[in-house]
Amino acid sequence: KAGVTQTPRYLIKTRGQQVTLSCSPISGHRSVSWYQQTPGQGLQFLFEYFSETQRNKGNFPGRFSGRQFSNSRSEMNVSTLELGDSALYLCASKPQFTGDVGEKLFFGSGTQLSVL
Amino acid sequence: GEDVEQSLFLSVREGDSSVINCTYTDSSSTYLYWYKQEPGAGLQLLTYIFSNMDMKQDQRLTVLLNKKDKHLSLRIADTQTGDSAIYFCAEKSYGQNFVFGPGTRLSVLP
Repeated sequence: KAGVTQTPRYLIKTRGQQVTLSCSPISGHRSVSWYQQTPGQGLQFLFEYFSETQRNKGNFPGRFSGRQFSNSRSEMNVSTLELGDSALYLCASKPQFTGDVGEKLFFGSGTQLSVL
Repeated sequence: GEDVEQSLFLSVREGDSSVINCTYTDSSSTYLYWYKQEPGAGLQLLTYIFSNMDMKQDQRLTVLLNKKDKHLSLRIADTQTGDSAIYFCAEKSYGQNFVFGPGTRLSVLP
């Protein structure tokens, strides 16, 4: 089974631009979450999508948005980029909640975004 | 809100045991996890423990949970250079998001 795939692997943008990141979950997984990873802050939760609906949202400004398509693929968009948006953006998918077994997140390798 | 804390760095000699510690604040946490991140890669699930357990062992990995003190530890026996990575502790309760710690960077010295 193919893992979680994120594209592109690297991105360089300038302040004020916008960017779109893509994530393809493991086949059969319907939940996709996005995280921002920075050296000082660790992993910060952005949002989670399930069946094309946003289920949860973290404490990020409205410049950060996302969506999920009917095939469970997800995109994340950041508008009006700021220098502080430079980070590794990780996508994670999970299968349906499996009760006693526990929920498990499966991560992609991430998109490294640099804002100049 | 919920918080998960870890020390940021740990260095050990090859062949020694490594112990990575984590504390969390959410008393309703049902599952606690350890993830490993190698350079240039995403997070890989190492192991997890249900909150009604005290210990879980999986080959070289031993997880200890002290629910009273909200303290979780990961012990890696016979640490190898390939174990050098960042280790994240995470907690999860029903209906809530995963909360990750800042990660502990483990360096294994030859």
